[in-house]
Amino acid sequence: DAKTTQPPSMDCAEGRAANLPCNHSTISGNEYVYWYRQIHSQGPQYIIHGLKNNETNEMASLIITEDRKSSTLILPHATLRDTAVYYCIAPTAGGTSYGKLTFGQGTILTVHP
Amino acid sequence: SAVISQKPSRDICQRGTSLTIQCQVDSQVTMMFWYRQQPGQSLTLIATANQGSEATYESGFVIDKFPISRPNLTFSTLTVSNMSPEDSSIYLCSVEKFLNTEAFFGQGTRLTVV
Repeated sequence: DAKTTQPPSMDCAEGRAANLPCNHSTISGNEYVYWYRQIHSQGPQYIIHGLKNNETNEMASLIITEDRKSSTLILPHATLRDTAVYYCIAPTAGGTSYGKLTFGQGTILTVHP
Repeated sequence: SAVISQKPSRDICQRGTSLTIQCQVDSQVTMMFWYRQQPGQSLTLIATANQGSEATYESGFVIDKFPISRPNLTFSTLTVSNMSPEDSSIYLCSVEKFLNTEAFFGQGTRLTVV
């Protein structure tokens, strides 16, 4: 897996957008960027993934820079239930498993009322 | 998606004993994995559970300590053997399904060794 770097913690006001950055400067051309989150006392939950185009789903948007060395996960209207640890992962592609993941320390996002 | 049931959800065990954790999925999956999450830490992959053959262990994990079975496409067990307090962790099962490109996780088993 490509190495990823995330800030250890971030705060966000409820109702505002939460923008979580991730650096992955060593990512190779065929490695996706995945985001998972882990709410306290639960198993990790998949959020979104992308290769080089921006992606959006019902949970979040993913913005990947043109050189693919960094990305930003956007939660457009954060709620208290979005308080969690967010992991940015770039699993090795090319036929290997997308479920075999190397977790870093992630970003602890705290959403305040 | 996949619904994953882990049993037990939590347990308190005596040192020197063993605990077997079960992972049951509501549908057939291609890959099954076991992770460990030590207190205050991130997740670490223990092994890939292979159907009908020995599991593939990551560096630092051995079969004698963490024997794994996967008798079919929906079920796997992880045993934590000869436990010590250092084994106190959350153990999580995850799966990957055919044509899916993300992993699904169980809620974990919180193990405390005293």
